[in-house]
Amino acid sequence: ELKVEQNPLFLSMQEGKNYTIYCNYSTTSDRLYWYRQDPGKSLESLFVLLSNGAVKQEGRLMASLDTKARLSTLHITAAVHDLSATYFCAVEPYNTDKLIFGTGTRLQVFP
Amino acid sequence: NAGVMQNPRHLVRRRGQEARLRCSPMKGHSHVYWYRQLPEEGLKFMVYLQKENIIDESGMPKERFSAEFPKEGPSILRIQQVVRGDSAAYFCASSPLVRGNIQYFGAGTRLSVL
Repeated sequence: ELKVEQNPLFLSMQEGKNYTIYCNYSTTSDRLYWYRQDPGKSLESLFVLLSNGAVKQEGRLMASLDTKARLSTLHITAAVHDLSATYFCAVEPYNTDKLIFGTGTRLQVFP
Repeated sequence: NAGVMQNPRHLVRRRGQEARLRCSPMKGHSHVYWYRQLPEEGLKFMVYLQKENIIDESGMPKERFSAEFPKEGPSILRIQQVVRGDSAAYFCASSPLVRGNIQYFGAGTRLSVL
């Protein structure tokens, strides 16, 4: 069974600090997505990573993909309170059109 | 360009009743996906549809659940004879093409079964 695992599941960090969220998956895929979800809200697309070695950056967030290691990372630089949310990675396996979501990482940034 | 529209946002049903969840994809999108999110969990794929066709229903429970995406009108996720375990947030997503295209999510329908 395909598994997508994120760690940590919960992350409490101080403003200004850096941290990385990891996303491991168990199937062959070259397409990985990162989404953000605020409490009670829908999912907002953050990054689409479509090839091995892909790196995308937007503001304080940077995502990368290593298809050989089946690993994606979401790096947070100098966190601010507005980044508090739950972050999901999602994998699109070969020959399917569905997304398999990770368990999510709930991020809280405090002053 | 309106986003993915889901209604109702909140739905309360008693055990044994039917629940109908609607999803209108973004303009120009012909691919619709339904996902279910249980509290404190990630989203689980249920079904993928194109107009008038079910492409992949591998995530749908075998009984009581059905989905359609007619030629005209929204996609409908139908749950018959709801049970408490059906309580969850149901999200619809749409995309213009398959594979490698972002799926855009609606705000979700939160179903509560009493």
